[in-house]
Amino acid sequence: QLQLQESGPGLMKPSETLSLTCTVSGGSISSSNYYWVWVRQPPGKGLEWIGTIYYSGGVYYNPSLKSRATISVDASRNQFSLNMNTVAAADTAVYFCVGEGRGRYYFDWWGQGSLVTVSS
Amino acid sequence: QSALTQPRSVSGSPGQSVTISCTGTSSDVGVYNYVSWYQQYPGKAPKLTIFDVSKRPSGVPDRFSGSKSGNTASLTISGLQAEDEADYYCCSYAGTYTWVFGGGTKVSVL
Repeated sequence: QLQLQESGPGLMKPSETLSLTCTVSGGSISSSNYYWVWVRQPPGKGLEWIGTIYYSGGVYYNPSLKSRATISVDASRNQFSLNMNTVAAADTAVYFCVGEGRGRYYFDWWGQGSLVTVSS
Repeated sequence: QSALTQPRSVSGSPGQSVTISCTGTSSDVGVYNYVSWYQQYPGKAPKLTIFDVSKRPSGVPDRFSGSKSGNTASLTISGLQAEDEADYYCCSYAGTYTWVFGGGTKVSVL
């Protein structure tokens, strides 16, 4: 059973670069059995898919983020990360890291979420 | 890529049935049978409730059911219970390794 745990800055200023890390346990980040996903949820609002990284290395992003997001994997630490540049107040949200089973078109395993607040 | 459309809220009395609609387009819900539903309690992570339109993960009560017609998917909760009061989100595969969520529906048990 996969377990995921986000870690992040908490509070940021506008125009800074957001860096979030997800530590995975119960499975290998390099396994072909999983895909790794970021989803966010602004306070009081709905869920938004940010992007997915596949074991093959392919990465796909939500077009609405206009190339501000980058997802990567650190196999040595069994972690994957989200970087998002030039943040604004609209990026204030709870960020969830998610595991998706290979060939399963749904999101099985969720981290508890990390609140990131962007404020001057 | 626009969010799927869900009603903001639905409500019902214990024991009744409620249905939540999730309307997409011919590029997502209408063409793929990869609609999933997630239940979310306040301050908690979403939990998978339905996948592949109508399949239930182990441990999810059979009072939860899903269906799809055209560009609209639906989640029905039969025999509504107090513990079902939560937010529910639909999600659809939208092709080319992309995903789209609905805006969420708050289910209230009267």
